[in-house]
Amino acid sequence: ETVLKQSPDTLSLSPGERATLSCRASESVRSRYLAWYQDKPGQAPRLLIYGASSRATGIPDRFSGGGSETDVTLTISRLEPEDFAVYYCQQYGNSPPTFGGGTRVEIK
Amino acid sequence: EVHLSESGGGFVQPGGSLRLSCAASGFNFNLYGMSWVRQSPGKGPEWVAGIDGGGDNTYYADSVRGRFTISRDNSKNTLFLQMSSLRAEDTAVYYCAKEVEYIGSPLFEYWGQGVLVIVST
Repeated sequence: ETVLKQSPDTLSLSPGERATLSCRASESVRSRYLAWYQDKPGQAPRLLIYGASSRATGIPDRFSGGGSETDVTLTISRLEPEDFAVYYCQQYGNSPPTFGGGTRVEIK
Repeated sequence: EVHLSESGGGFVQPGGSLRLSCAASGFNFNLYGMSWVRQSPGKGPEWVAGIDGGGDNTYYADSVRGRFTISRDNSKNTLFLQMSSLRAEDTAVYYCAKEVEYIGSPLFEYWGQGVLVIVST
């Protein structure tokens, strides 16, 4: 199966700063079918980005994605207080679908 | 508004069985594939099983194949996960998730809040 490695494990930043999260796949993911989710305690995970770079419905434009079939990034241009959470990447181009281990974005 | 609500979780001994349900609303349930995704403490999510919109095709992770069965009742907008021969490593929060297409696209557009399953003596 395709293994996804996220880095860093934790990102300590202040509101207003830029966050850059990385996700590396162990093999090429078909059609760049890579996604990012936001996970907060007590809430359902939320889809942010799909197809490596397309924002899901209702997602603010401070969230952006990019990259290749093996390396993708999630950028949050200016952190808002509600953005401090855990973020997971997922690939859905290869079978079975798999997730990364997550990056925690915490308040510095 | 899409709403997914899981139920049926709880405490079970190793080797036991449990049936999870997921009530869906706010979309045409029979037009979309659905999946179960679980998350153990301190780990990333793990896809468990998926089913197409009509219920004709099912898919499983190797870790649960032969022990878990995914099904759906489109007349009641409900998704199920029958879990048997449960092991300690099945302990997790289980989420139901709506896929973006009828079949073959495990991109999870909406998730429920999750239900906790604990397998222990």
